[in-house]
Amino acid sequence: QAQLVESGGGLVNPGGSLTLSCAASGFTFSDFFMSWIRQAPGKGLEWVSYISSSSYHINYADSVKGRFTISRDNAKKSLYLQMSGLRADDTAVYYCARGGGVTNFWVWGQGSLVTVSS
Amino acid sequence: QSALTQPASVSGSPGQSITISCTGTSSDIGLYDYVSWYQQHPGKAPKLMIYDVSDRPSGVSDRFSGSKSGNTASLNISGLQPEDEADYYCGSYTSSKTDVFGTGTKVTVL
Repeated sequence: QAQLVESGGGLVNPGGSLTLSCAASGFTFSDFFMSWIRQAPGKGLEWVSYISSSSYHINYADSVKGRFTISRDNAKKSLYLQMSGLRADDTAVYYCARGGGVTNFWVWGQGSLVTVSS
Repeated sequence: QSALTQPASVSGSPGQSITISCTGTSSDIGLYDYVSWYQQHPGKAPKLMIYDVSDRPSGVSDRFSGSKSGNTASLNISGLQPEDEADYYCGSYTSSKTDVFGTGTKVTVL
């Protein structure tokens, strides 16, 4: 069955950088759009970014544009999110999800917690 | 990229039906039929319940149904059961080629 597993979360200082990874299995990774979605503690879901199957189409939420970079390696069946200039309001559980754009979010990872604090 | 608007909470007794609304604009829900609904239990990842306004993934109970009128989408849960108690989020594609979620609705089974 399709599965996504995030890694790379942790505690980082304000202004710092962190890279999240998402390993996919159980489906043809290179066929699908992929996304990052976050959820601040006790808050709702916020779409962060998506990337098309070939990496041609990429888009970001205004809240992270210019600070976050999404990428993928289809050979490694992996999705990445490079985060820089981190702020306290970036503190959230970050979910990797299969889908994005006009495709729905069919498969979700278990989430990776990123805490931005000094 | 403003979040879609949902009621903060909806409640109902077992066996009853409830409806959750999701209000957007002519640039998202009103423009596309790419509306989806997600169920999230505490501490768990969201689960897709409805896609493309009214389609149900295999394995999702037919007690869940979706619809859309103008800029507002709706999720109906009939025959409410204790396990339906969860947070529900709508989602839509937008004219800016981004995705957006709703503010979320907590469903309580009385």
